[in-house]
Amino acid sequence: KNEVEQSPQNLTAQEGEFITINCSYSVGISALHWLQQHPGGGIVSLFMLSSGKKKHGRLIATINIQEKHSSLHITASHPRDSAVYICAAAPNYGGATNKLIFGTGTLLAVQP
Amino acid sequence: DVKVTQSSRYLVKRTGEKVFLECVQDMDHENMFWYRQDPGLGLRLIYFSYDVKMKEKGDIPEGYSVSREKKERFSLILESASTNQTSMYLCASSFEYTEAFFGQGTRLTVV
Repeated sequence: KNEVEQSPQNLTAQEGEFITINCSYSVGISALHWLQQHPGGGIVSLFMLSSGKKKHGRLIATINIQEKHSSLHITASHPRDSAVYICAAAPNYGGATNKLIFGTGTLLAVQP
Repeated sequence: DVKVTQSSRYLVKRTGEKVFLECVQDMDHENMFWYRQDPGLGLRLIYFSYDVKMKEKGDIPEGYSVSREKKERFSLILESASTNQTSMYLCASSFEYTEAFFGQGTRLTVV
């Protein structure tokens, strides 16, 4: 069993829909990261959170430390949101080196 | 803006060649990482470095080595490239306990 699991693996939505991507982890963490990867490869960090909720534009990330679960929400989805979304856990045994454990990603396609 | 720059977007190399992948960051980060990304497997850590000349093996170091002679530059070396090293390679850097910044990736094909 992977230490970081995401669901769903693939998601197709219509433009304007509210989207949720889920991440569960089994290790103790110092932080949970959400990353975005567009076709072509480059990865961008969306959020790093250790408690509660963060919001940036139409993106919202939440985390429940007790349940070891995080969600990424996209409101009013748009075709430009189409990408792979990756959840990554920074385990609290990793120290300051910030080694991450990655989920396998969720491929999101938003259709116009 | 933080920049992590990888030397090539696409590379094609022959089996047995020695291959160098270069990564440079401009934010004075202590930590630098090399990952490979394969379909269905996600990102897997090959090596990381937490200071100049310091390195530690990640989860899949076999067939790879690294070099960090200067703080801003972290090189991944494939000593003798093999077809099972065909993959997307991603470099990243970070400070302690902060978000990681990624390069644009190098898609390596070994023929």
